[in-house]
Amino acid sequence: DARVTQTPRHKVTEMGQEVTMRCQPILGHNTVFWYRQTMMQGLELLAYFRNRAPLDDSGMPKDRFSAEMPDATLATLKIQPSEPRDSAVYFCASGVGRNQPQHFGDGTRLSIL
Amino acid sequence: ILNVEQSPQSLHVQEGDSTNFTCSFPSSNFYALHWYRWETAKSPEALFVMTLNGDEKKKGRISATLNTKEGYSYLYIKGSQPEDSATYLCAFTPGTYKYIFGTGTRLKVLA
Repeated sequence: DARVTQTPRHKVTEMGQEVTMRCQPILGHNTVFWYRQTMMQGLELLAYFRNRAPLDDSGMPKDRFSAEMPDATLATLKIQPSEPRDSAVYFCASGVGRNQPQHFGDGTRLSIL
Repeated sequence: ILNVEQSPQSLHVQEGDSTNFTCSFPSSNFYALHWYRWETAKSPEALFVMTLNGDEKKKGRISATLNTKEGYSYLYIKGSQPEDSATYLCAFTPGTYKYIFGTGTRLKVLA
């Protein structure tokens, strides 16, 4: 089965360090989403792309977060500088359209000390 | 602001009980309604996508219905088993490509 691949699976780093999370969407999927798992809201949408173009990044703290799709096989989410409140599980998902399900990666568990 | 609400927030049932939960969404500008199953320490897995008013979908002991005119969907689990314990998420897609998720119903099935 085709899967969304996220790396790293786990990341522990100190406050102030740059963090880069990577996502390889399923081949042929043209919509990519970044979510953060929160206790209160479940899945918080950070940003999403369609055909590599950013459509909405209003969920991201703009001063420290950035999301890009340098090519169709790679999406990145960067945090610089990282803060302890950024500690969470970050999920990437990909899909082909609004009437199709999203497929989620296994997530990156991020801990900022 | 588009909002998706799920109820109840959490639920405990005995093994063998049947149960159901609700997802409420805006009835205007509807495109699709999605259900996901999310086990602890895993990632959400798609259960159903429904697009038409009156749609009913079924997978094993789990089924779902859709009412787009009044803006709700029900998820039913017949004869709950401990392995059904998970958070059940619904998501609504309006005219954009954005999926608007509810906060989920956390189901615990007691053996």
